[in-house]
Amino acid sequence: DARVTQTPRHKVTEMGQEVTMRCQPILGHNTVFWYRQTMMQGLELLAYFRNRAPLDDSGMPKDRFSAEMPDATLATLKIQPSEPRDSAVYFCASGLVHTGELFFGEGSRLTVL
Amino acid sequence: QKEVEQDPGPLSVPEGAIVSLNCTYSNSAFQYFMWYRQYSRKGPELLMYTYSSGNKEDGRFTAQVDKSSKYISLFIRDSQPSDSATYLCAPTGAAGNKLTFGGGTRVLVKP
Repeated sequence: DARVTQTPRHKVTEMGQEVTMRCQPILGHNTVFWYRQTMMQGLELLAYFRNRAPLDDSGMPKDRFSAEMPDATLATLKIQPSEPRDSAVYFCASGLVHTGELFFGEGSRLTVL
Repeated sequence: QKEVEQDPGPLSVPEGAIVSLNCTYSNSAFQYFMWYRQYSRKGPELLMYTYSSGNKEDGRFTAQVDKSSKYISLFIRDSQPSDSATYLCAPTGAAGNKLTFGGGTRVLVKP
């Protein structure tokens, strides 16, 4: 049963600490997306990759967030330094360009104290 | 104003009723219209999608798109308690492009 795998599922950290979230997309998928979900803002796109190349990271605060795909089986989202306003659920999703369907992971729930 | 708008609800209906969900958008470039369902503490999952204007039916679910008024609808017939979830509309300009999500409508189907 192919699925998007995200780690960690839950993370509690203190303000100023570095946070790294990891995502294993479904094998063979060529698009990867990072979304952030909060009650106030809903699902917001942070970054997305096609064939591992970054296409759009305009939704990401550049001074503290970075997203990479070091290889086809791993996508990372890093926050350094973290702030309380970064508390949210971060979703990774993968898909195929020609179908448009995105498959979401279970999310990483981040709490920054 | 957000690019995609949905009434947050909650929309509470008795089991067996028809659920009607709506979404409006502002970007004329949107061509594909997705509906995702999200259960509590889970990731969204694709329910169905339509291309351009028109209707599409899939079991108990019907999606409608009216591009002239930039209005998207999802109907759930014979609603079940298991349909209780948040429904998110997500249009996009092309397959494989980024999805712009509405805020979602929470639906409660009471037995």
